[in-house]
Amino acid sequence: AQTVTQSQPEMSVQEAETVTLSCTYDTSESDYYLFWYKQPPSRQMILVIRQEAYKQQNATENRFSVNFQKAAKSFSLKISDSQLGDAAMYFCAYRRTTSDMRFGAGTRLTVKP
Amino acid sequence: SAVISQKPSRDICQRGTSLTIQCQVDSQVTMMFWYRQQPGQSLTLIATANQGSEATYESGFVIDKFPISRPNLTFSTLTVSNMSPEDSSIYLCSVSSGTYNEQFFGPGTRLTVL
Repeated sequence: AQTVTQSQPEMSVQEAETVTLSCTYDTSESDYYLFWYKQPPSRQMILVIRQEAYKQQNATENRFSVNFQKAAKSFSLKISDSQLGDAAMYFCAYRRTTSDMRFGAGTRLTVKP
Repeated sequence: SAVISQKPSRDICQRGTSLTIQCQVDSQVTMMFWYRQQPGQSLTLIATANQGSEATYESGFVIDKFPISRPNLTFSTLTVSNMSPEDSSIYLCSVSSGTYNEQFFGPGTRLTVL
């Protein structure tokens, strides 16, 4: 079974600074997708970034980037130039090509002004 | 991306009653998912709903408690039956769409059972 582990229940960052959220996963598959979702207090789940396992290049989306280490089964999210609006729960997720998505326990990010 | 709406957005219900949550998608999708998210927790998959077939339930969830309908490729309902306070949670509809098997989520239904 695939499991996703987020070892940081809470993180905080100063506005304009950089923060990295950790995620590890366990799988025997070679073909899969990884995602980071953001859930603000409004509870709407928003896709932040995705990574295809077959791609070695790390995905980036504006201020958000990942460090994907396939051999280590690690998938961390880096948020640069943090903004107050980045405050939310962040969920790391794993999905095989046709199966449902499995989520980590989440990391609550606080951004301090 | 798919745009998903859910009704109701929130409800307060009495123990022993049932509530049906509706999920509408703005495009045709093959796979729809229902998740439960208890306060401060991660998402737990209840079932996968495919059009034209019975829903597939995860361990710990049964059809009698969470019957699901999927009459077409843009709509699904989840019923929470014979509710108890333990059913108080956020229920999220999700669909699989796009080239990269992304999942998009509805805004959720916050259910409180008294």
